[in-house]
Amino acid sequence: AQKITQTQPGMFVQEKEAVTLDCTYDTSDPSYGLFWYKQPSSGEMIFLIYQGSYDQQNATEGRYSLNFQKARKSANLVISASQLGDSAMYFCAMRETNSGGSNYKLTFGKGTLLTVNP
Amino acid sequence: DAGITQSPRHKVTETGTPVTLRCHQTENHRYMYWYRQDPGHGLRLIHYSYGVKDTDKGEVSDGYSVSRSKTEDFLLTLESATSSQTSVYFCAISRGDTYNEQFFGPGTRLTVL
Repeated sequence: AQKITQTQPGMFVQEKEAVTLDCTYDTSDPSYGLFWYKQPSSGEMIFLIYQGSYDQQNATEGRYSLNFQKARKSANLVISASQLGDSAMYFCAMRETNSGGSNYKLTFGKGTLLTVNP
Repeated sequence: DAGITQSPRHKVTETGTPVTLRCHQTENHRYMYWYRQDPGHGLRLIHYSYGVKDTDKGEVSDGYSVSRSKTEDFLLTLESATSSQTSVYFCAISRGDTYNEQFFGPGTRLTVL
């Protein structure tokens, strides 16, 4: 089974609207972390937001928020007031504590390509 | 910028030739990683290092080796490149703390003909 699943290969949103990118994960580790990265067409990987499994509140960073539903094992990224510059590939990733050998490896989903239309 | 550089940024080589990619960091972070990115696969971990001379395999390590003789440098070697190793290779670093955000280098586009 995949550890990180992003079911939306592509998403479209109108400028200034909000959009939710889905991410579900699979782990038996009680301590884990979830990350979202953005990859624009230029190719660099940009960290957006982090949620720890024990965090009581959903993480927020500016226009980005993470809708963390632990029981459903989902960690959806919400982008409010979309901008043209938000058009990019978005990756969800998970860090498990007991990942064998190192506590700090990330497993990535396959990504969602977001297109913001003017 | 997280102080990570990769060299070369682009390389075209032929099947069967050895190739070495270099990742250099100025952050003195303990952990370093090599990923490959292919369409439809996201990023997949090749090898990682948790200290000088301490390395371990990731999920797609076959055909690759790594070395880390200094904190700042992490080398990825393809002993005999194959066309299936055509990919974009990313290096990443992290402090190794609980948060452990990974910072990525700019990537190396490798084409094996």
